[in-house]
Amino acid sequence: KAGVTQTPRYLIKTRGQQVTLSCSPISGHRSVSWYQQTPGQGLQFLFEYFSETQRNKGNFPGRFSGRQFSNSRSEMNVSTLELGDSALYLCASSPGPGSYEQYFGPGTRLTVT
Amino acid sequence: TQLLEQSPQFLSIQEGENLTVYCNSSSVFSSLQWYRQEPGEGPVLLVTVVTGGEVKKLKRLTFQFGDARKDSSLHITAAQTGDTGLYLCAGGPRGGSGAGSYQLTFGKGTKLSVIP
Repeated sequence: KAGVTQTPRYLIKTRGQQVTLSCSPISGHRSVSWYQQTPGQGLQFLFEYFSETQRNKGNFPGRFSGRQFSNSRSEMNVSTLELGDSALYLCASSPGPGSYEQYFGPGTRLTVT
Repeated sequence: TQLLEQSPQFLSIQEGENLTVYCNSSSVFSSLQWYRQEPGEGPVLLVTVVTGGEVKKLKRLTFQFGDARKDSSLHITAAQTGDTGLYLCAGGPRGGSGAGSYQLTFGKGTKLSVIP
């Protein structure tokens, strides 16, 4: 079974631009979560989607948004990029109710200049 | 507020030595997971513990969940260079409800270096 895939793997943007990151979960997994990882803050929860509905949202500004499609694939968008948005963005999928285990993709390394 | 504290932050040991890393919280968690992450990659799930007092063994790795479900430890016996990486603990829904939420809370990790 293929793992979680994320595209692109690396991205360089300038301040003020926007970016869209994509995540394809493990086949059959219906829950997708997004995390931001930085050296100073570690892994911080962004949001979680299940059956196309956002069920949880972390403490991030409204510039961070996401969505999930009917095939469980998910995208996250960051608008008006700031230097502090430079981070590794990780997507994780989970089978659904009754399972707390999450399986991570390799991440997208975003650099904002 | 960091809800899961991991210690030590950094650990450098010789191959063959034993080590223990800790994950502590003032909150109760329904489940606790340990991940290992290598540079440039996503975390890889090692184990999930769900019952207070539970001990799980995975080859040379022993994981323990505290009786009160607020803390956990990971013990590695006879460390190998392949054990090098960032070890992260993550707690399931707080309060022990176990009801539907998939928001994991992560510690900042213990960076382990095993020197040959």
